[in-house]
Amino acid sequence: ILNVEQSPQSLHVQEGDSTNFTCSFPSSNFYALHWYRWETAKSPEALFVMTLNGDEKKKGRISATLNTKEGYSYLYIKGSQPEDSATYLCAYLSGNTPLVFGKGTRLSVIA
Amino acid sequence: DGGITQSPKYLFRKEGQNVTLSCEQNLNHDAMYWYRQDPGQGLRLIYYSQIVNDFQKGDIAEGYSVSREKKESFPLTVTSAQKNPTAFYLCASSSIQGGEQYFGPGTRLTVT
Repeated sequence: ILNVEQSPQSLHVQEGDSTNFTCSFPSSNFYALHWYRWETAKSPEALFVMTLNGDEKKKGRISATLNTKEGYSYLYIKGSQPEDSATYLCAYLSGNTPLVFGKGTRLSVIA
Repeated sequence: DGGITQSPKYLFRKEGQNVTLSCEQNLNHDAMYWYRQDPGQGLRLIYYSQIVNDFQKGDIAEGYSVSREKKESFPLTVTSAQKNPTAFYLCASSSIQGGEQYFGPGTRLTVT
C-alpha cells in the first residue's frame, strides 16, 4: 500500500494568520496529486489537481505547490478566515493505482 | 442539478445482517468509488469501478461486495463477514479513473 503522509495532523490558527501544511508521497511513478477540502457536515470538494513538477495553483487565498522529484506538496492559506476551518486531504495518484488519500490536516481558525 | 447522492444518511443494523448502501450519480461519470472512514484514519478504498459491469477491489474489500449494472449506480453491500462494519461510508465518482473526484454526502452505518 502506497504511503501518503500529511502534517501536521491538526492546527489552530488565529483569524488573519497565514498557514501552510505538507503532503508527502512516493516520488516514483508519479501521475497526479489532488487536494480536497472537507468541511464538517459536508462532502469533500476538490481544490486542486496537480500533475507537473514545480506546478503552483491558486484559488482565492489558497495556493498549492508541487515537487514531484522529492515527493511533497504544500498547501498555503493566506489570511485564514473562520470559513477555512476544515480538514484538508491530499491524495496521490500513481500510474497504475487509484487515488491514495492521506489522513488529512484538520484546520481550526479562531475568530 | 448534477451530483452524487447516497442514501440513507444514517443506517442501523443488527450484527449478522447484510446491508446495502445506495450510491447514484447523474454526472455521466465512468468511474465510481467506495471509501470508508474511521476516526483518526484517512479515506480507505473499498472497491472501485472504471466502467459498467467491471469493478476492482481496493485496499479493504474483505466483507464487502459491489455491483455496477448501470453507469449511474454503484451499490455497496456490507456483508455479515465484515468484522467491523460500523463506520462512515463515502461514495465518489470521476469522469475518468484518477480524475477529480466528486463525493456524495456519506452514510453513517452503525451495527450493534
